[in-house]
Amino acid sequence: AQTVTQSQPEMSVQEAETVTLSCTYDTSESNYYLFWYKQPPSRQMILVIRQEAYKQQNATENRFSVNFQKAAKSFSLKISDSQLGDTAMYFCALTQGGSEKLVFGKGTKLTVNP
Amino acid sequence: DVKVTQSSRYLVKRTGEKVFLECVQDMDHENMFWYRQDPGLGLRLIYFSYDVKMKEKGDIPEGYSVSREKKERFSLILESASTNQTSMYLCASSLETGWGQETQYFGPGTRLLVL
Repeated sequence: AQTVTQSQPEMSVQEAETVTLSCTYDTSESNYYLFWYKQPPSRQMILVIRQEAYKQQNATENRFSVNFQKAAKSFSLKISDSQLGDTAMYFCALTQGGSEKLVFGKGTKLTVNP
Repeated sequence: DVKVTQSSRYLVKRTGEKVFLECVQDMDHENMFWYRQDPGLGLRLIYFSYDVKMKEKGDIPEGYSVSREKKERFSLILESASTNQTSMYLCASSLETGWGQETQYFGPGTRLLVL
């Protein structure tokens, strides 16, 4: 069975600083996708960034980037120049090749302090 | 913009009541999902539908059923609500490409309290 582990239930960072959220996963599939989703307080969950397992290059979306270590089954999210609007629950998720179903981690609550 | 709406933001029901949670998406997505979100447990998939009238059990289907009579609408049914079903329920939808790469678009959630 596929599993996703987020070992940091809560984190905090000062505005404008950089923070890294950790995620490890387990799968026996060779083709899969990894995602980071963000759920701001009382707002809808949205996609932050996506990584295909076959691509060696780490995905980047503006201030958000990932460190994908396939052999170690690690998929961390780096947020640069943190902003107050980055305060949210962050969920790491895994799909399998050919399936649109997601397996989620338990989430990391990130607070950006002014 | 993709829009996923859920019929209620907050719902209070009594033990034993039949509860309907409705979800509607406006982007002609093939896939629709119902998740349950609990603190410390993350999101867990209850049911998944990949087409009208087609459904697949997720990780925690016990005590729930679903209905998808139209492509845009996916209903979650609690046949006899129990206190351990008090939770946040999230609906999501996505395209079906067969590759597992598609973004899931989430609704705002329904916070259900069963007394």
